[in-house]
Amino acid sequence: EAQVTQNPRYLITVTGKKLTVTCSQNMNHEYMSWYRQDPGLGLRQIYYSMNVEVTDKGDVPEGYKVSRKEKRNFPLILESPSPNQTSLYFCASSLYGDPTKGYTFGSGTRLTVV
Amino acid sequence: AQTVTQSQPEMSVQEAETVTLSCTYDTSESDYYLFWYKQPPSRQMILVIRQEAYKQQNATENRFSVNFQKAAKSFSLKISDSQLGDAAMYFCAYRTYISNFGNEKLTFGTGTRLTIIP
Repeated sequence: EAQVTQNPRYLITVTGKKLTVTCSQNMNHEYMSWYRQDPGLGLRQIYYSMNVEVTDKGDVPEGYKVSRKEKRNFPLILESPSPNQTSLYFCASSLYGDPTKGYTFGSGTRLTVV
Repeated sequence: AQTVTQSQPEMSVQEAETVTLSCTYDTSESDYYLFWYKQPPSRQMILVIRQEAYKQQNATENRFSVNFQKAAKSFSLKISDSQLGDAAMYFCAYRTYISNFGNEKLTFGTGTRLTIIP
């Protein structure tokens, strides 16, 4: 089944404790992206990647890191989480250069930073 | 930069009735794609319908249809014969047709929460 797999689904952590949210897709998509969803703000892009070793900032990149060492994986790293990073996070992927389709989204990660 | 506006934070409709969700956007591009996504309580983002800006014909998917007014930059979603399973948050989204600097991001509106009244 074609899918984007995110883990964990729920995560509660403390301020300053490094964490990684994993994202993996099995569709050979070049383009991958991370979004955060907050009430009243919709989904906002954090980082994106056009292919292996090619990443760049989205609209709200502060406090986040990403890497793209393999085509299928695009982890989101919070080096020192803070309470304002409490949010719902989505990973998404698509074929690069194919605007006829939307994205395939992961099932989301609910992160709480206390 | 493109912006997407959903002015109705919440809507409700009686089961089996029809409801229309509004979306407007701002862009200087002539070619682009518009989407409606559904997010049920499970949190999954589900593509409902897609519209290519160069197509004049409004897209339709079963009970879901759009009213695309390119000049007015309006893209509303009509749900006919509403069902309990349609209860969800609905997001309107814009995607550029041509990749600028490689970022093919979706720009989302703030969402409309739809409640179905039995």
